[in-house]
Formats: sequence, structure tokens, C-alpha cells
Amino acid sequence: SQELEQSPQSLIVQEGKNLTINCTSSKTLYGLYWYKQKYGEGLIFLMMLQKGGEEKSHEKITAKLDEKKQQSSLHITASQPSHAGIYLCGAASNAGGTSYGKLTFGQGTILTVHP
Amino acid sequence: DGGITQSPKYLFRKEGQNVTLSCEQNLNHDAMYWYRQDPGQGLRLIYYSQIVNDFQKGDIAEGYSVSREKKESFPLTVTSAQKNPTAFYLCASSAMGQGGNQPQHFGDGTRLSIL
Repeated sequence: SQELEQSPQSLIVQEGKNLTINCTSSKTLYGLYWYKQKYGEGLIFLMMLQKGGEEKSHEKITAKLDEKKQQSSLHITASQPSHAGIYLCGAASNAGGTSYGKLTFGQGTILTVHP
Repeated sequence: DGGITQSPKYLFRKEGQNVTLSCEQNLNHDAMYWYRQDPGQGLRLIYYSQIVNDFQKGDIAEGYSVSREKKESFPLTVTSAQKNPTAFYLCASSAMGQGGNQPQHFGDGTRLSIL
């Protein structure tokens, strides 16, 4: 089965600083999803990456998928307190059959941004 | 507004009791999922369903049961056989995408505790 390892497990930064969260897979990624979660709430979808070398940005958050499709990074530029929360990466199994749509998640990275 | 509604937000279970968590979506999504989240861990898949009247076990299905009688609804029952039910439960749904996986959208979760 596929396993996802996120690093770091937790991160504390000062407002305005840049930061990067990594997500590494034991197998080739067929689809990589980034989510954000506030404590005690549901997950909010941020971005989806599918192609090797793909990069997407939304506001101050950029996500990349490496060429080999086994590692993804999430980069936040000029962090703000509103960026605080838990960031989770999720990976899709290869398409087809009853496994279609299933996601495996990393353990999450807890981000704290001090004003 | 379209979305996923989970209820109740908080639920308490007595020893030997079965409890049912509700999940309703009005996104017209075919697939629905139930996850369990424990502190410091990512999401673990309990059950998922791609079409009405059909569902598959996820990674931790023991002690849980589901039904999918309507496209909009996917209730989860936590049975007395689940010996460690205290957790945060998340329901999600997704479209069955053409040519690739589609992102899952999540409800706000139900927190289940043992009395």
C-alpha cells in the first residue's frame, strides 16, 4: 500500500517568513492533493497536481510535484496568521477498478504563525 | 449553497451502544467516503461508495457499517464492536472524473466520545 510521509511534523514561523512543507511517497503519485484543516473542522481543498513537474499557485501558496512524481512540496510566501492550521497531503491510487477515487493521507504538518 | 453536511457535530456513546453519524451532500457527487482522524495522525479510510447500493471496505472497516440507499446520503454506524471509537469522523464526496481523479470535498466532521 502507498505511504505518505510529511515533513516537518510541526512548524513555527514568524509572520512574514517563507516556509516549505514536503510530502514524500513510497510509490509513484498518480494524483497529489493538498488540503488545509483548522482544528476541529473539515478539510479545505487547496490544490491538485497530476503531472510530473507541475506547479500551481493560489494567492501566496505554491505547490509542486517533482518530475519523478514521488515528492511534492507546498510553499507559503510571506506567511500570515491566517495560514495557520494543519496541512495534509493526499495521494490517489492509480485509476481503475474499485480503488478509483481512494486517497491515502500523510500524517499532517501543524503550522503556527506568530504575529 | 452546495456542500456536505455532517451531523451531529458532537456525539457521545455509551458502552455497548451503536451510534449513527449522518452525512448528506447536495453536490450531485457519485462517490462518498468516511474517514477517521486521531490526534497526530492523518486520515484513515473506513468505507467508501462509488454508486448507490454499493460500498467497499477501507483500511479500518472493522466495527463500522454503512449504507448507501440514496445518492445524497452515506450514514456511518459505529457499532459496539468498535472498541476504540473516540475520534473525529470526516465524510467526503467526489465526482467520478473523466480522465483523472477528482478532488474530495469534506464536511465539518463529527467528534465522537465515549461516556
